[in-house]
Amino acid sequence: GAVVSQHPSRVICKSGTSVKIECRSLDFQATTMFWYRQFPKQSLMLMATSNEGSKATYEQGVEKDKFLINHASLTLSTLTVTSAHPEDSSFYICSAEGGASSPLHFGNGTRLTVT
Amino acid sequence: ILNVEQSPQSLHVQEGDSTNFTCSFPSSNFYALHWYRWETAKSPEALFVMTLNGDEKKKGRISATLNTKEGYSYLYIKGSQPEDSATYLCAFDPLDSGGYQKVTFGTGTKLQVIP
Repeated sequence: GAVVSQHPSRVICKSGTSVKIECRSLDFQATTMFWYRQFPKQSLMLMATSNEGSKATYEQGVEKDKFLINHASLTLSTLTVTSAHPEDSSFYICSAEGGASSPLHFGNGTRLTVT
Repeated sequence: ILNVEQSPQSLHVQEGDSTNFTCSFPSSNFYALHWYRWETAKSPEALFVMTLNGDEKKKGRISATLNTKEGYSYLYIKGSQPEDSATYLCAFDPLDSGGYQKVTFGTGTKLQVIP
């Protein structure tokens, strides 16, 4: 149980275009999801907390207009990288909150390359 | 920024050897400490969520201990097997995250078990 599906796993796009990444909870309802970014040889960095039916909460230094998050249903959160630039190239991964003292449930991640 | 560190960054062990690695985290504002196992091209898989000082948890050949007063946790693998090869992540879950699991991850320990 508690499977999170993230799509796509890899995407290459041209500079200036937008890319949408989807994170779905397949067999449970996820009120809260998190989006992370990982730079090479660094840890997973929390970008934002996504809550169903409300605006996402962004961490300090994360541009909310660059990284649009929508959590319109209890099973789907999306991250859109708008007007992507090569510096946005990174690994992005989502997780669903497991609840107090429970683990997080992760997607497989998305490798974004902006050319 | 919370300081969560893991050591070593990587290690190679022979099949059958036992090994351990460390996660250090802030000794104040503690709520929980997570351990995840992350294989390449897969999603991080939860191993343990630990909340009590002195706690020890076990899952097969893998076990973990927790010292919240001094801010460290050890992960042990007994009789390492090639399938144990993965990156092991710890994540610190603080008390004051507004009720959300806004964890801070370490950079991980990459384990390679040589057959």
